[in-house]
Amino acid sequence: AQRVTQPEKLLSVFKGAPVELKCNYSYSGSPELFWYVQYSRQRLQLLLRHISRESIKGFTADLNKGETSFHLKKPFAQEEDSAMYYCALSGPVGGGGNKLTFGTGTQLKVEL
Amino acid sequence: EPEVTQTPSHQVTQMGQEVILRCVPISNHLYFYWYRQILGQKVEFLVSFYNNEISEKSEIFDDQFSVERPDGSNFTLKIRSTKLEDSAMYFCASSGGTGGKDTQYFGPGTRLTVL
Repeated sequence: AQRVTQPEKLLSVFKGAPVELKCNYSYSGSPELFWYVQYSRQRLQLLLRHISRESIKGFTADLNKGETSFHLKKPFAQEEDSAMYYCALSGPVGGGGNKLTFGTGTQLKVEL
Repeated sequence: EPEVTQTPSHQVTQMGQEVILRCVPISNHLYFYWYRQILGQKVEFLVSFYNNEISEKSEIFDDQFSVERPDGSNFTLKIRSTKLEDSAMYFCASSGGTGGKDTQYFGPGTRLTVL
């Protein structure tokens, strides 16, 4: 069964400090991994997906198949980064859309 | 930028009553989903829908739940006889446009409270 683990419920950092939100997954096939962000009172928004290998709002995430991890990183935290971050795994590949399996989320708090 | 919309934002109902949660997916999307999040817990998959039929459902999605796409724009989730444990935030999502099948776009959610 597929599973996503986010070990930290809350991560508190100072503005300008590096951020790393941890995500580990368990999946037998080739995973598609995503990070979603939910700002206060807003909807879940896609932040990035591993396939596109892009940097969004200064965040990056690298899929490490050996460690089954997809940690989210940002070198310098900004106050506006404070939000709930969810790691999600898509699969198995099917003809009718792919369900997302979410982690429990990590609340990032950036302090001044 | 087009968005998924959901109505109502908050629904309060009595145990045993039927509720219908409504969603308008992004117009050129082909795949539709419902998820729920019980307070303090993770977002959980309920059902996916494609080509006018359920493509996958979770164990949570029992006979009390049904989905429908009654016209070209709406996607509904019906809970036939609500239980206290159905109280949760329900999210609709859609995918299949230029973002590809795998990129799901979420609505703002409907908070369902069962008394």
